[in-house]
Amino acid sequence: EVQLLESGGGLVQPGGSLRLSCAASGFPFSGFAMSWVRQAPGKGLEWVSSISGSSGSTYYADSVKGRFTISRDNSKNTLYLQMNGLRAEDTAVYYCAKDRDKQWRYLDYWGQGTLVTVSS
Amino acid sequence: DIQMTQSPSSVSASVGDTIAITCRASQGISSWLAWYQQKPGKAPKLLIYSASSLQSGVPSRFSGSGSGTDFTLTISSLQPEDFATYYCQQGNSFPLLTFGGGTKVEIK
Repeated sequence: EVQLLESGGGLVQPGGSLRLSCAASGFPFSGFAMSWVRQAPGKGLEWVSSISGSSGSTYYADSVKGRFTISRDNSKNTLYLQMNGLRAEDTAVYYCAKDRDKQWRYLDYWGQGTLVTVSS
Repeated sequence: DIQMTQSPSSVSASVGDTIAITCRASQGISSWLAWYQQKPGKAPKLLIYSASSLQSGVPSRFSGSGSGTDFTLTISSLQPEDFATYYCQQGNSFPLLTFGGGTKVEIK
């Protein structure tokens, strides 16, 4: 059974940093691209970032480019999102999600999410 | 960037009804479209991919159609567990995925 478990969310002041983790199990982790998607309170879904299985390729939404860094440790089956320079508009539930079929087009499994609140 | 527009933003329906939700892309995306269901406080769940392919384990009362710029999610014989918010997502400009604004299906 595929499981994704996020952690690391919390309250942080504007300009601060936070690192999210996503522990994966139940599938060959290194064989699949992974993504982060966020959802601001009461709002829709926003793609944030994706990384290839080998970490060779990374992609970011314009809204986070230069501030967030996605990475993974395949030996630990864990995905990360380092978030620096946090802003109030980064407040959201952050989900990690698995690529469905190695085409980067769809997300078939999602974690339960971790809440990041940016506020003074 | 490709923009995804869903309509309606909300719909009220009764158990047993059939409803349709539409999604329009700002440019052609072939059949690279997915539909997700999200219940309050829960993660999204993939229902349909490639516009009309049913994800494993999803009931057959869910169906998708369309190509190019116009797509439809149809839910036949609504069940109590189907009341949720539904999102479309384009996979054409991968990995830069974009989602529609969502359609909330409420009990009438």
